[in-house]
Amino acid sequence: GAGVSQSPSNKVTEKGKDVELRCDPISGHTALYWYRQSLGQGLEFLIYFQGNSAPDKSGLPSDRFSAERTGGSVSTLTIQRTQQEDSAVYLCASSWIAGPNYEQYFGPGTRLTVT
Amino acid sequence: AQKITQTQPGMFVQEKEAVTLDCTYDTSDPSYGLFWYKQPSSGEMIFLIYQGSYDQQNATEGRYSLNFQKARKSANLVISASQLGDSAMYFCAIPSTGGTSYGKLTFGQGTILTVHP
Repeated sequence: GAGVSQSPSNKVTEKGKDVELRCDPISGHTALYWYRQSLGQGLEFLIYFQGNSAPDKSGLPSDRFSAERTGGSVSTLTIQRTQQEDSAVYLCASSWIAGPNYEQYFGPGTRLTVT
Repeated sequence: AQKITQTQPGMFVQEKEAVTLDCTYDTSDPSYGLFWYKQPSSGEMIFLIYQGSYDQQNATEGRYSLNFQKARKSANLVISASQLGDSAMYFCAIPSTGGTSYGKLTFGQGTILTVHP
């Protein structure tokens, strides 16, 4: 079956603009995670959803970052007033259910460059 | 808080030989799991293998196996019969087991493996 998909694959934006990153999880997976990968910070957790609910938003770097998930499926990560330090690869992962014993399947990522 | 340490920034191995990638962890959870992921240059994270802390045997998946030493808090990945396609970044990760962060992965810094022909 289809894996996790993300769009766009690459996004170049000017500082101060808003961007939306999309994640389409594997069909039937109820848990969805967002991570960020950058040279300086490695892989960092941002937020996760169980269904449409986000129990843990502790990883969001600032209030410029928000995410939503609708219909228990597609999720959108929005970054408002982008800054250069937001430049990174944003990875989305899904799993059958949220939990420590379930492998997460990752999408190809969105490479965000803020100029 | 959980912590994962991968002390080898880069490793080299000859094709067809075995290689061990190190991972040590720190957690206060009595029951936990450990994951290894591969990230080729294409960028996608690929799940390789999982070890539960109470599993009686070391996990194996094809050419991948874990040398799990619970007392030492280490979960080293062993790749046997290396292939050129194994060249990639490898990450060890530990999931959160409770609270509101259920399942959230904490990753190590990664090890870049290069397989020479």
